[in-house]
Amino acid sequence: GAGVSQSPRYKVAKRGQDVALRCDPISGHVSLFWYQQALGQGPEFLTYFQNEAQLDKSGLPSDRFFAERPEGSVSTLKIQRTQQEDSAVYLCASSPQGQGTSYGYTFGSGTRLTVV
Amino acid sequence: QQQVKQSPQSLIVQKGGISIINCAYENTAFDYFPWYQQFPGKGPALLIAIRPDVSEKKEGRFTISFNKSAKQFSLHIMDSQPGDSATYFCAASDYNTDKLIFGTGTRLQVFP
Repeated sequence: GAGVSQSPRYKVAKRGQDVALRCDPISGHVSLFWYQQALGQGPEFLTYFQNEAQLDKSGLPSDRFFAERPEGSVSTLKIQRTQQEDSAVYLCASSPQGQGTSYGYTFGSGTRLTVV
Repeated sequence: QQQVKQSPQSLIVQKGGISIINCAYENTAFDYFPWYQQFPGKGPALLIAIRPDVSEKKEGRFTISFNKSAKQFSLHIMDSQPGDSATYFCAASDYNTDKLIFGTGTRLQVFP
């Protein structure tokens, strides 16, 4: 596709529900990143994939957060037993390069998650 | 631990004026310093970036000034336009880690 596509654009979840957020990166992009952006804040790194390998998950805030990219293209971020503090915009970015990929990021428009 | 500090939090500029946003970093391993522009409801978009081997980079109306010894860098927007009204984020990364560390953002409003 022409850009990074994320779905859904908006998600309202009741506290305790599980949610799944999808990211379609730019075709052929090797690297994929997930970031969390709280209201009025800068994005914060969650996790990074190079093809299907999850190389860095140091930013995932708890074991309720899980990400996968099984075929090296589409990625899913799953949040189990959502809490109110999980409310944020979840941004996905992709890059055509491998190591040292922060130079070529393209971000999607994000999924706004509201936990009520 | 906040590794990239950004100021001001908000900025109001008259059309045609100069907008200046400042950032400071702590990690001397950082080797890439981009600025992102974000409009409401959209993801951040890369505006301009600099590496520490140069002290200034200019692209159109946008200039990054970089001071390696002070560990500071700034974005200058010349001839600011109402269409520049957005939130601007500085960021930094280290080649070995692949992840961007973002500042807290500056909301710029340019009035006609």
